[in-house]
Amino acid sequence: IAGITQAPTSQILAAGRRMTLRCTQDMRHNAMYWYRQDLGLGLRLIHYSNTAGTTGKGEVPDGYSVSRANTDDFPLTLASAVPSQTSVYFCASRSPGLAGTGELFFGEGSRLTVL
Amino acid sequence: AQSVAQPEDQVNVAEGNPLTVKCTYSVSGNPYLFWYVQYPNRGLQFLLKYITGDNLVKGSYGFEAEFNKSQTSFHLKKPSALVSDSALYFCAVRDGGSSNTGKLIFGQGTTLQVKP
Repeated sequence: IAGITQAPTSQILAAGRRMTLRCTQDMRHNAMYWYRQDLGLGLRLIHYSNTAGTTGKGEVPDGYSVSRANTDDFPLTLASAVPSQTSVYFCASRSPGLAGTGELFFGEGSRLTVL
Repeated sequence: AQSVAQPEDQVNVAEGNPLTVKCTYSVSGNPYLFWYVQYPNRGLQFLLKYITGDNLVKGSYGFEAEFNKSQTSFHLKKPSALVSDSALYFCAVRDGGSSNTGKLIFGQGTTLQVKP
């Protein structure tokens, strides 16, 4: 059982370049999330999707976009990368639960460095 | 707005001793509270959650947490620490009254170091 698969695992990117981080799940969960993890700041929500075809903004959405064409895939795109987007990015899906109480399943992360 | 705080950046404990990792929260409605653990270079893993009912919640790997409404706390505990418990621990909260279904707010994380 793969769960959440993220790619790439690690990437070094020049500032101004476009980058898409891929996320695929095999659990058929409706809700999916993108977080970034920075030292001392914990995890901050970038974008989320409650179901295929819908997306929403989290705490730190600027400079990022997402799409949810189907249940399994939830890619995160940086249109024009900046050094402040250097971070570790985690994709997650949420198991079913009453009123959104299901637990999150996380991928292994994508470490992005923008120079 | 909902928020969660983990007041300690790091907790050090000797193997075999009890451990506590602290968490306090702020929500406008009923809180839904979670603990996650992150091992080095890995994604977060779910440990336990409080939704309603018994204030003492038991989770994976022998961990438990106590919900205290009056102190707005949800401290993570384990009676006897293992070296393998050394990891980064995150507390998270969701406002049960929020319309933003399922979105969790995470604390800053607490590094637990268990020494032999």
